[in-house]
Amino acid sequence: DQQVKQNSPSLSVQEGRISILNCDYTNSMFDYFLWYKKYPAEGPTFLISISSIKDKNEDGRFTVFLNKSAKHLSLHIVPSQPGDSAVYFCAAVQGGSEKLVFGKGTKLTVNP
Amino acid sequence: DSGVTQTPKHLITATGQRVTLRCSPRSGDLSVYWYQQSLDQGLQFLIQYYNGEERAKGNILERFSAQQFPDLHSELNLSSLELGDSALYFCASSLGGGMGGYTFGSGTRLTVV
Repeated sequence: DQQVKQNSPSLSVQEGRISILNCDYTNSMFDYFLWYKKYPAEGPTFLISISSIKDKNEDGRFTVFLNKSAKHLSLHIVPSQPGDSAVYFCAAVQGGSEKLVFGKGTKLTVNP
Repeated sequence: DSGVTQTPKHLITATGQRVTLRCSPRSGDLSVYWYQQSLDQGLQFLIQYYNGEERAKGNILERFSAQQFPDLHSELNLSSLELGDSALYFCASSLGGGMGGYTFGSGTRLTVV
């Protein structure tokens, strides 16, 4: 039973264009969502997060959008850079818990 | 360097054997989490310790066990290893208190042959 789903295993975009990574969840008790980025041979690193009381959070080139009614969130990267090429994991946490539930990840490739 | 140290980085062992993975959390962090990433799978939560005590348990097999020591480092013990246990094992740490502000180590790649 996968509570956090990233249905696109991979995504390829051109440098300078927008990258949109999608994530769906099934557990309505999740109230905090995070995106992690992972390079090969490294552990995941925190990128950006959003609370369920918001529908948008922006940090530089990265913006996360949350649609609670659709149980969907997305990460927008604008403009995309070759250094953004990595695996991106969506994660969710339920209030009162410290356990992150991760999706399977989306491998982003940004082509020069 | 994230501040979370995992050793060893790579481990190759035979089926039926037992191994111990070690994690030193970031200075000041009281919580340690263990995650498993198998091929084509996301990060699966195994277990969490907070200041020496087990706080939460996930899909951890009975052949696996963990502990957190007084100096806050943690060890994950995997026994009676099977081929399917081959995976990346990540440790993460946080101050505790929720909201998932983890810092991950670079992982231990376990290969069971």
